[in-house]
Amino acid sequence: DSGVTQTPKHLITATGQRVTLRCSPRSGDLSVYWYQQSLDQGLQFLIQYYNGEERAKGNILERFSAQQFPDLHSELNLSSLELGDSALYFCASSVEAAGGFVDTQYFGPGTRLTVL
Amino acid sequence: EDQVTQSPEALRLQEGESSSLNCSYTVSGLRGLFWYRQDPGKGPEFLFTLYSAGEEKEKERLKATLTKKESFLHITAPKPEDSATYLCAVTPGTYKYIFGTGTRLKVLA
Repeated sequence: DSGVTQTPKHLITATGQRVTLRCSPRSGDLSVYWYQQSLDQGLQFLIQYYNGEERAKGNILERFSAQQFPDLHSELNLSSLELGDSALYFCASSVEAAGGFVDTQYFGPGTRLTVL
Repeated sequence: EDQVTQSPEALRLQEGESSSLNCSYTVSGLRGLFWYRQDPGKGPEFLFTLYSAGEEKEKERLKATLTKKESFLHITAPKPEDSATYLCAVTPGTYKYIFGTGTRLKVLA
C-alpha cells in the first residue's frame, strides 16, 4: 500500500458526460501528479500540482482540468467525454523536497474510466 | 527530445532463469532514473531510484544499475510472483517525468 488513495475505483459513463476523479496524497506529500494509461500505452503525464498551485503541464487536453485543495487532495475533471478517454487514470504523490532533490513518486491504485 | 525506450517488450523466463531488462534513455541532463513494477490493473509500485552513473541498488532478487545512456534491471533466479510489467522512468528535473512503455515479464513455474 503506497498510502495514496484514489476514488472511485471504477467509473462507467457515456460520451459527452463529465466526471471527477479524486486523489488523496500520502501524508506529508505536497505534490500531486496525474497520469493517463491507455491499453498498451505507457504512462502519459497530464499535470502536476504543488501545494495547491499548478507546477507543470503535460499532454493534457483542454477538456480536462485539475485542482489541488488546501487539504492537499486533488481532483481531475474530465468533460465532454469521448470513447478514446477510456483509460486508467493514476495519481501519484511526492514530498517535493527543496534544493533540487529529485523526488520519487508513489502511485495510487488508479481509477478505471470506461466511456460507452 | 527526452525519450525512454525499454527492451524487450515482453520476456518469458523459466523459474530460476536469470535475465536483464534494459532501459535506454535520451534526456537533457539526467537527474534521476526510476524503476517500478506494475501488476495488471494496479498502480505502479516503486522499486528503485538511481541518480548517477555507476550507481547500483538491490532488493531481494532485483538489482538495478545505471550508466550514462541506459539502466539495467537484473532479475536473479526469478519466481512466478515476479511476473509483472516493469516500468522505467527518467527525470531531467524541472518537474518532468518520462516513462517507457515497459517490459512485460512472465516467469513460468
